[in-house]
Amino acid sequence: EDQVTQSPEALRLQEGESSSLNCSYTVSGLRGLFWYRQDPGKGPEFLFTLYSAGEEKEKERLKATLTKKESFLHITAPKPEDSATYLCAVYDSGGSNYKLTFGKGTLLTVNP
Amino acid sequence: NAGVTQTPKFQVLKTGQSMTLQCAQDMNHEYMSWYRQDPGMGLRLIHYSVGAGITDQGEVPNGYNVSRSTTEDFPLRLLSAAPSQTSVYFCAIGTASTDTQYFGPGTRLTVL
Repeated sequence: EDQVTQSPEALRLQEGESSSLNCSYTVSGLRGLFWYRQDPGKGPEFLFTLYSAGEEKEKERLKATLTKKESFLHITAPKPEDSATYLCAVYDSGGSNYKLTFGKGTLLTVNP
Repeated sequence: NAGVTQTPKFQVLKTGQSMTLQCAQDMNHEYMSWYRQDPGMGLRLIHYSVGAGITDQGEVPNGYNVSRSTTEDFPLRLLSAAPSQTSVYFCAIGTASTDTQYFGPGTRLTVL
């Protein structure tokens, strides 16, 4: 069974204090790993897709990296507007098409 | 929300009542799905469709029915609502070419 574990569950940072969120996964074969951002009362907003170990994607203060067992979402010099829940999800190449397995998310709070 | 609309935004039902959650898209994506999101749990797939006339079950299908007669619409039906169906429901769309799924704004459902 596919498993996705995100850590920490919650993270508080001061503005400008860089850190990383972790997503570890267990799949028979990784077809893709996805990062989403979710604001309170809103739907998940797509950030990145990673397909193979060693791949990196960047967007503003966010950079996502991928290894064979985990992915990191690095946040550089965060601002209060980066506060949100960050979700990680995977597609298993051995599973049903289009079935994303999600982690429980990391709630990030950035204080001014 | 990436061309996905969901109605209603909020709904309160009594146990045993029926209702339909609506999902519509204007992106002509072949794939549509329904997820539910509960506190302390990741998003879980209820049902999905890879095209008009084709639907399949996800991880938690019991108590829910779907049909897809057009590319644009994918309604989710609760035939006899139960308190365990209290949740936030998200519709997502996607294409086979990118694997990425884009989420709607959600419907918050409370069953008393």
